[in-house]
Amino acid sequence: QVQLQESGPGLVKPSQTLSLTCNVSGASISSGTSYWSWIRQPAGKGLEWLGRIYTSGTTNYNPSLWSRVTISLDTSKNHVSLKLSSVTAADTAVYYCASWGPGYFDHWGQGTLVIVSS
Amino acid sequence: QSTLTQPASVSGSLGQSITISCTGTSSDVGNYNYVSWYQQHPGKAPKLMIYDVTNRPSGVSNRFSGSKSGNTASLTISGLQAEDEADYFCVSYASSSLLAVFGGGTKLTVL
Repeated sequence: QVQLQESGPGLVKPSQTLSLTCNVSGASISSGTSYWSWIRQPAGKGLEWLGRIYTSGTTNYNPSLWSRVTISLDTSKNHVSLKLSSVTAADTAVYYCASWGPGYFDHWGQGTLVIVSS
Repeated sequence: QSTLTQPASVSGSLGQSITISCTGTSSDVGNYNYVSWYQQHPGKAPKLMIYDVTNRPSGVSNRFSGSKSGNTASLTISGLQAEDEADYFCVSYASSSLLAVFGGGTKLTVL
């Protein structure tokens, strides 16, 4: 079955770039009809959709973050990557990757906690 | 602040039924049949429980059901069991550039 696993540094300094990777197994990120999304959840708060990328490489981003966020595919490794630049403490959150089928998130990773602190 | 409104908490006794609401607008819940519900236990990945308002994925108990009326979607859990105690949140497709909007989540306590 499809499994997703996020990985990356758990601590990032303010003003630096947060970089995370989502390893996908059980499906090819370069085929099919899924969108690969990133979502985050600050402690004690609700979930926030960051953006998504289609198998073709087409992206959509949350307008509140579009100038800082980049999502890309690494088809050789079957990875989906997230980069968030100029981070602040407000970017501290659990970050999830998920696959978006036709209208819902059908598979999720376990999530990875990223703390922004000097 | 979440776009879809859910109660912060609900509770019910073993064997009883509960309903969790998810209120949006005519730009999301009210205009699309793309409402989904997720169960999340502490420290675990969210699990899809209902999609397209009323559909259950394979393997999800038929004790879980979904519905929608106007701008409000609902998740009903019947015959509450101890393992149902978890956080539940809704998601809707939206016509805005956000594409996917979330509820704030509801903590279900099984008494």
